[in-house]
Amino acid sequence: QKEVEQDPGPLSVPEGAIVSLNCTYSNSAFQYFMWYRQYSRKGPELLMYTYSSGNKEDGRFTAQVDKSSKYISLFIRDSQPSDSATYLCAFNSGGYQKVTFGIGTKLQVIP
Amino acid sequence: SQTIHQWPATLVQPVGSPLSLECTVEGTSNPNLYWYRQAAGRGLQLLFYSVGIGQISSEVPQNLSASRPQDRQFILSSKKLLLSDSGFYLCAWGALSAGELFFGEGSRLTVL
Repeated sequence: QKEVEQDPGPLSVPEGAIVSLNCTYSNSAFQYFMWYRQYSRKGPELLMYTYSSGNKEDGRFTAQVDKSSKYISLFIRDSQPSDSATYLCAFNSGGYQKVTFGIGTKLQVIP
Repeated sequence: SQTIHQWPATLVQPVGSPLSLECTVEGTSNPNLYWYRQAAGRGLQLLFYSVGIGQISSEVPQNLSASRPQDRQFILSSKKLLLSDSGFYLCAWGALSAGELFFGEGSRLTVL
């Protein structure tokens, strides 16, 4: 079983749609849950960061963590063409050694 | 604020040639530094990380090496490149505790 599972897509949605991106994980030691956004030919940028189960909202973005199901989600409301990018989930068990990334989901928002 | 610089942005190298990619961080001291590789269709693969000058940990045995000659400088090297070394190389620095990473713009390497 892979440590992190993420559907690579691509996912195409019309402008204004609600987007749901998901990852599952198997490592119970993961304590920190992150979402990165990566535009084509650029480095990933940290988008959302959460520590505990529950929801965290930042503007149009909501990160959701369900530790009991080992499942995290990122919701994008009122999606815009500028949201077109690859979204990577990431996990850390604490400390500096390793951040484990999903393969990334490519999202295209069509005007 | 902290910034991270990575160069060169793009390079094409023949098989068997040497490689040197450089990364510097500004606006923070004693950062944790990382080299990742991102190959097409694959996730981010951690290659090396460093918690201080001269302290390098390797995650994947391979044709590459890393060095940290100064606090905020991280270098990725190879003596002889292989075709399989092609990819997108990303330098990152991290906050001490939680695993948040901040990436540079990346270096795209093509080995022919």
